Amino acid sequence: NAGVTQTPKFRILKIGQSMTLQCTQDMNHNYMYWYRQDPGMGLKLIYYSVGAGITDKGEVPNGYNVSRSTTEDFPLRLELAAPSQTSVYFCASNLGGEVSETQYFGPGTRLLVL
Amino acid sequence: GNSVTQMEGPVTLSEEAFLTINCTYTATGYPSLFWYVQYPGEGLQLLLKATKADDKGSNKGFEATYRKETTSFHLEKGSVQVSDSAVYFCALSFTGGGNKLTFGTGTQLKVEL
Repeated sequence: NAGVTQTPKFRILKIGQSMTLQCTQDMNHNYMYWYRQDPGMGLKLIYYSVGAGITDKGEVPNGYNVSRSTTEDFPLRLELAAPSQTSVYFCASNLGGEVSETQYFGPGTRLLVL
Repeated sequence: GNSVTQMEGPVTLSEEAFLTINCTYTATGYPSLFWYVQYPGEGLQLLLKATKADDKGSNKGFEATYRKETTSFHLEKGSVQVSDSAVYFCALSFTGGGNKLTFGTGTQLKVEL
């Protein structure tokens, strides 16, 4: 059971480039999330999904897109990268349902936009 | 909206000292409360949680009690170790609506010999 895996671990982008951050979970969790963590700040929710085909915006969605075609995968797309998107990105998953369950986090992707 | 406020760090302690990290929240209703820990270079992992008032969450010697009257969930440990050095995040969520977490800004703990 690998849990939540993220790729890549680290990436440098030039301003205006695009990329996809990959996230996969093997726990058959219904809910998945993308957060960004800026230095000295807590995590901010970018997007989340409560099941395949269903996504919704979080607190800071501008500049990002997501899709959820399968239960396992929840990629995050950055279009036209900007320096303000320099951050550490965490994917997480949650069993979902009526009880507020633990969120399981991936190891993170560190992104630097220059 | 919902929010979580934590004491600012870094907090530096000697090994075997007593730890308290304060956490208060603002929310409409009664959320579930969590403490997550982030070790250097890693993702977050759940340390403990409490789902209703007066519940006490505990794990690895850490404890926190859900205080509705003071809207608080302070983290405590009686005797810290160097291996406890990490960043600690307080968070809340409501069941339903995606079980989204609202995080505090985190408190860095450094434990020295």
